[in-house]
Amino acid sequence: NAGVTQTPKFQVLKTGQSMTLQCAQDMNHNSMYWYRQDPGMGLRLIYYSASEGTTDKGEVPNGYNVSRLNKREFSLRLESAAPSQTSVYFCASSQTAYGYTFGSGTRLTVV
Amino acid sequence: TQLLEQSPQFLSIQEGENLTVYCNSSSVFSSLQWYRQEPGEGPVLLVTVVTGGEVKKLKRLTFQFGDARKDSSLHITAAQPGDTGLYLCADPPVGGATNKLIFGTGTLLAVQP
Repeated sequence: NAGVTQTPKFQVLKTGQSMTLQCAQDMNHNSMYWYRQDPGMGLRLIYYSASEGTTDKGEVPNGYNVSRLNKREFSLRLESAAPSQTSVYFCASSQTAYGYTFGSGTRLTVV
Repeated sequence: TQLLEQSPQFLSIQEGENLTVYCNSSSVFSSLQWYRQEPGEGPVLLVTVVTGGEVKKLKRLTFQFGDARKDSSLHITAAQPGDTGLYLCADPPVGGATNKLIFGTGTLLAVQP
């Protein structure tokens, strides 16, 4: 089925470790996004890529980096994980403001 | 930055009851979207409302956009356990290349059988 695929689904990291969250979409969308979701705080935008070759900071970018590898793939990297980055991470893609599709999330715990 | 406030934060009801959840903004919406997020999944778009006063129906769900486009409501008739989830409103900015979607904090609904 067409959609947004995120890997891994679950991850436990130790403080200071690094990791990359992968995201791929097969809908030929131009724009891709990374959000984090924490209890009581809704979904907050970390980084986004309006089109291939561009990336911009969202609301909560500190501690993260992103790479728009090609039109399909948008990865999120944690260089030195901290307990405050324990969260559920969602990748999304869209062609217009009216057509967002989300992945099923990566549940990350930093101990 | 536009703030989207949703109420109530939590709602637990019995199957068959009716309910309404609300989304309010500090400024005028250009348009507004409602999403439902089931446990363990990402949000799924339910509806987009664009015109002040607009009412849209999706089976047992009725969405209303305020006349002044600063608020919206979602009414569910005869709730079922399958309606359980997190309901999020979102403001999709119009124009530009970013299309960044700003979410409210959500209403967590539990429908007990």
